[in-house]
Amino acid sequence: SQQGEEDPQALSIQEGENATMNCSYKTSINNLQWYRQNSGRGLVHLILIRSNEREKHSGRLRVTLDTSKKSSSLLITASRAADTASYFCATDIRGSSNTGKLIFGQGTTLQVKP
Amino acid sequence: EPEVTQTPSHQVTQMGQEVILRCVPISNHLYFYWYRQILGQKVEFLVSFYNNEISEKSEIFDDQFSVERPDGSNFTLKIRSTKLEDSAMYFCARKGTTNGELFFGEGSRLTVL
Repeated sequence: SQQGEEDPQALSIQEGENATMNCSYKTSINNLQWYRQNSGRGLVHLILIRSNEREKHSGRLRVTLDTSKKSSSLLITASRAADTASYFCATDIRGSSNTGKLIFGQGTTLQVKP
Repeated sequence: EPEVTQTPSHQVTQMGQEVILRCVPISNHLYFYWYRQILGQKVEFLVSFYNNEISEKSEIFDDQFSVERPDGSNFTLKIRSTKLEDSAMYFCARKGTTNGELFFGEGSRLTVL
């Protein structure tokens, strides 16, 4: 499997429900980041969690990181139709050339129905 | 307001033609990146550029690709002789100053016919 794999690939929920997306990775990381992409648009940084952090919050977003399992989850609470987008996890790999490049996963496509 | 501005937003070209995609950062930064995203697929790293030099490049970034910062402001990606499989969205990004997050432009859609 590849560095940064999300599941599910697609998620459809009703407005007001919570959405949970998971990301697994293979190598040690400096940090893990989540990005959002609306169809045909650029990626927007949502939240960054460092390798020594376990949980982080930002508004309706909650990110967890389990370095022993090499996995992360993104929870969006009280979802809105405007949250409809693709969500990508991206890892900054430890021991790389320190250029700050990110390796992106395949993404989860979230549809929030009004 | 985007952190970086990319032009053109969409370019259609014939196979074998040269293409130049441009990226203009809003403010002066040292670290820049080009990524590409083939339709429906994941975002792939192409190259990182630091202090006017390539600092890292991926296997995708072969001799057909080059990057420059010709005037200290614009940051360009050149594809020397386009192939059909170069059709993709190309994203420029700059590195944040605090935590290493990336700020992306809206992308340039390249269609090679």
